[in-house]
Formats: sequence, C-alpha cells, structure tokens
Amino acid sequence: SQQGEEDPQALSIQEGENATMNCSYKTSINNLQWYRQNSGRGLVHLILIRSNEREKHSGRLRVTLDTSKKSSSLLITASRAADTASYFCATDSFFSGNTGKLIFGQGTTLQVKP
Amino acid sequence: EAGVTQSPTHLIKTRGQQATLRCSPISGHTSVYWYQQALGLGLQFLLWYDEGEERNRGNFPPRFSGRQFPNYSSELNVNALELEDSALYLCASSLDGTGADYEQYFGPGTRLTVT
Repeated sequence: SQQGEEDPQALSIQEGENATMNCSYKTSINNLQWYRQNSGRGLVHLILIRSNEREKHSGRLRVTLDTSKKSSSLLITASRAADTASYFCATDSFFSGNTGKLIFGQGTTLQVKP
Repeated sequence: EAGVTQSPTHLIKTRGQQATLRCSPISGHTSVYWYQQALGLGLQFLLWYDEGEERNRGNFPPRFSGRQFPNYSSELNVNALELEDSALYLCASSLDGTGADYEQYFGPGTRLTVT
C-alpha cells in the first residue's frame, strides 16, 4: 500500500518559474525523503528531512514538513529544462521500527518547457 | 566516488525462466535494498540485506530471493518468471544497517522484461 500521495500528479511550467509539489502520508514517520527519477531510470536522492525539522534547503530546492498535517512540500525555484522528471516522496514508518522499508508515493511528473 | 551500480541494464527472459540481477553498493555501505517498480504499481519494497543477513522482505512470493556477499554486493533472483514480473528493479544502499533511518541511494536499475 502507498503511504504517500503526491499532488499534483502532473505539472507543466515554463523555464524560470517555480514548481511546488506536495506529499501527504498516513502514519507517523521518523523522516521523509524526496527523490527524482528521469525517464524511468534510477532514483536520485534530493533531500531527507526528519520529523523534528520543519524546513530544509539544498541549492534551488526547499522542503517543508508539517507533521501535524502529515504533509510535505518540495519547491524547486528558477526551474530549468533539466528539472523535467518525476518526483517522489518516500517515508519510513514510525510505528514499525527499523524495517529498512521506504514507502513511496505515486509521484509528480514535472515538465519544464524551455 | 562511484555510486550504486547494477547489472545488467536490460534483461529479457521468457515465462518460467529464472533471472539474476546484481548490485554493488556505494563503498562503505553495508546495507542493500531491492525495490520493484512495475507499471501502475509504483515502487514496492522487496528485500533488505545487511551484513550478509536478510533483515526484512516485502509482500512478494518466495520465488523472489536474494543474498548478500561478504563484499556487500547483492544478488536478486527471481524464479519461475511470470509476465507480471516485468518491471524496473532498483537497488539502493545505505550506511551500516541504518535501514530507513538514513538516506538510501539508488542505482540506475535493471529493466526486466518477461515474454
């Protein structure tokens, strides 16, 4: 079963605009990770944010986490054509202990038009 | 520093055959994870190995199995292949048994096609 659900499922923007993707999850977590996948290939790790953190930055990426709402958002500023990809959030499960298992959402497909 | 590597890139098998997929983790990482990404089903957790031991497995039948070698590389075996096993198989690694507590870094995947 999927823990996370991304919103929107698809997003199309112009180069230079900002892109915001949202992720909601169902059960308490220890951390949440965001990944990028280009054209059905491997996943690239973007950011890990822990349950006691509210915001984290990495270059043009900004991730927020609201544990009261069980949601996270990924903001990509000044988007580039190279940002075109699918973006996934992945969570562990606080109540299951250390299972090694990441639970992925269905992803948001981002298209950045030149 | 090299990332997670997987081989082969593509694998084509017929129904009923066996498939073997291989993964080498990032140097210094002892945990290896396997995930399946099938069309319409998303990314599903398959197996977790650490220090040569299977630590956890997902909701997959026993014909999905694997092992981890002393150099921490790993092998995923799928026996009695079925058409629905066609998917992208992704391997990930992380530091010393941290499981999902820390970053999992993924390889490029092996595309398995069952005909």
